[in-house]
Amino acid sequence: DAGITQSPRHKVTETGTPVTLRCHQTENHRYMYWYRQDPGHGLRLIHYSYGVKDTDKGEVSDGYSVSRSKTEDFLLTLESATSSQTSVYFCAISEQGGLGSMDEQYFGPGTRLTVT
Amino acid sequence: AQSVTQLGSHVSVSEGALVLLRCNYSSSVPPYLFWYVQYPNQGLQLLLKYTTGATLVKGINGFEAEFKKSETSFHLTKPSAHMSDAAEYFCAVALMNSGYSTLTFGKGTMLLVSP
Repeated sequence: DAGITQSPRHKVTETGTPVTLRCHQTENHRYMYWYRQDPGHGLRLIHYSYGVKDTDKGEVSDGYSVSRSKTEDFLLTLESATSSQTSVYFCAISEQGGLGSMDEQYFGPGTRLTVT
Repeated sequence: AQSVTQLGSHVSVSEGALVLLRCNYSSSVPPYLFWYVQYPNQGLQLLLKYTTGATLVKGINGFEAEFKKSETSFHLTKPSAHMSDAAEYFCAVALMNSGYSTLTFGKGTMLLVSP
């Protein structure tokens, strides 16, 4: 299994509070991704990173920010959590991802976030 | 823009029966296509992928998929279902986004296997 961990694995928080989810990899892969999974929607990309300090928005980026100060860590922050952000969040990594290429993505175990 | 449509949110089969999970894509360029499986309370695991070359792709656990450009399809099949195949399956297409590749996923198909 690819060395990907996510923390915390479960979190319950109140509306309006900030929340940070962490993804940590030991594979030294360049590309990292944050998805959310909701019933009936599959996985939707929130943000991704193509290198240290290099990030870009995905399909559902509103209300989320990310940071990547080290190759191995990719943080997802909800500045002010809302009930609509209750979801399961997955981190993924890949070795390739540049123009014209696509390597497989390896997924972490997920974080279940509940916003009350 | 690329997109993925999976027909059927749930598919039920009997153990030993053929498994067919349908995926259609739209893409303005030759696509990279993937099938992932998710077991309960776990992350996604790659089953197989199509990039270039042979259109019939074999994956893990006896699954295979055929890329049909004329039908814009990438259906997943397995000749004989096993109870352990019960899971959710996701089809995905690679999307070029600001010069980098990202994946667009279908909404998933839950495979139910009965004895």
